[in-house]
Amino acid sequence: DAGVIQSPRHEVTEMGQEVTLRCKPISGHDYLFWYRQTMMRGLELLIYFNNNVPIDDSGMPEDRFSAKMPNASFSTLKIQPSEPRDSAVYFCASSPLETRDTQYFGPGTRLTVL
Amino acid sequence: SQQGEEDPQALSIQEGENATMNCSYKTSINNLQWYRQNSGRGLVHLILIRSNEREKHSGRLRVTLDTSKKSSSLLITASRAADTASYFCATTSGGSNYKLTFGKGTLLTVNP
Repeated sequence: DAGVIQSPRHEVTEMGQEVTLRCKPISGHDYLFWYRQTMMRGLELLIYFNNNVPIDDSGMPEDRFSAKMPNASFSTLKIQPSEPRDSAVYFCASSPLETRDTQYFGPGTRLTVL
Repeated sequence: SQQGEEDPQALSIQEGENATMNCSYKTSINNLQWYRQNSGRGLVHLILIRSNEREKHSGRLRVTLDTSKKSSSLLITASRAADTASYFCATTSGGSNYKLTFGKGTLLTVNP
């Protein structure tokens, strides 16, 4: 299996621009998670989906952040408008129902907002 | 918010030595997991221990859990240079087995 795929791997944008991060989970996995990692705050769960339905978005920092999962093989995390404090590494992870405790992480997208 | 706190923040050892990392947490948990992150990469799941377990082994890894002290330790025996990475503990609690709360990690450097 190819594992969790994220794109782009690096994104540099200017403050105020819209940013869209993409994730393809492992085929057959029922759960999808979005995390943000910074030096100051560590790894934070932003939102997670079960069978394409958002279950818990309490970690989404502001209304500027939104996430969608239109089908089982694709999810997006959008930031509009972006701010310098959004600079971080964003990870997508997925897990199957059978071993739902264990999450499989993608390589991450390093976002820099200037 | 952080649930787990790893100790030490950084650890440097020689190849062949054992490495021990500790994790403390604040609230009752369902399970505790350890993940490894190589520089610039995603996290890789290493081992999971449930709240009713006290010790678990996987290859060169040994995890202990003391729920009375709200702490866990990860022991890597006979370390290798390839073990150089950051190690994170993560917990689930309450009604969710999916919502992981991570600590800030221990950076392990294994010198050849």
